[in-house]
Amino acid sequence: QVQLVESGGGVVQPGRSLRLSCAASGFTVSSYGMHWVRQAPGKGLEWVAVIWYDGSTKYYADSVKGRFIISRDDSKNTLYLEKNSLRAEDTAVYYCARDIAPTIPYGMDVWGQGTTVTVSS
Amino acid sequence: DIQMTQSPSSVSASVGDRVTITCRASQGISNWLAWYQQKPGKAPKVLIYAASSLQSGVPSRFSGSGSGTDFTLTISSLQPEDFATYYCQQADIFPRTFGPGTKVDIK
Repeated sequence: QVQLVESGGGVVQPGRSLRLSCAASGFTVSSYGMHWVRQAPGKGLEWVAVIWYDGSTKYYADSVKGRFIISRDDSKNTLYLEKNSLRAEDTAVYYCARDIAPTIPYGMDVWGQGTTVTVSS
Repeated sequence: DIQMTQSPSSVSASVGDRVTITCRASQGISNWLAWYQQKPGKAPKVLIYAASSLQSGVPSRFSGSGSGTDFTLTISSLQPEDFATYYCQQADIFPRTFGPGTKVDIK
């Protein structure tokens, strides 16, 4: 069964760091572009970051560039989001998601259930 | 960055109604547009990709059209399970921006 399961969310103080994980099953993360998308409470969806299927390229939203790092561990079939210098506005549900196709910009078809990050002192 | 707008921001409709949602990109994106449905507390679900291709398993009452800067999502006959928020997303360039969403609720 194709599935993504996020973990690592929680309450963290401003300026601290947190790493989110997204474990994949039923497919190989190294065969697809993998994304992080977030949703602040009561707000819409915000695309955060992507890592190319071959790992060669990463892109970030301007709001997280220089603070967040997307990576993956192919041996664990797991995607990560390292979040540094956290701010109150980073409070959101974070979803990982898979591209529909590895090299064609169709969109995202498999999503995790989301993990909640609250940045508060 | 490409800005995405949607209209209306919300719509009240009845079961059986035809509902049309419009999405506009601030610059041309060819047909690299996806539509998602999201219900409260749930992850988004892709309905349409490449502007008009129906994702596997999605009911045929959903359809998409458009290219360039203007796109539409149509629900031909609204069903009870369709009450949700709908988002468009451009997949042409990064950052892959989403529209602000359209909430479809019960009249």
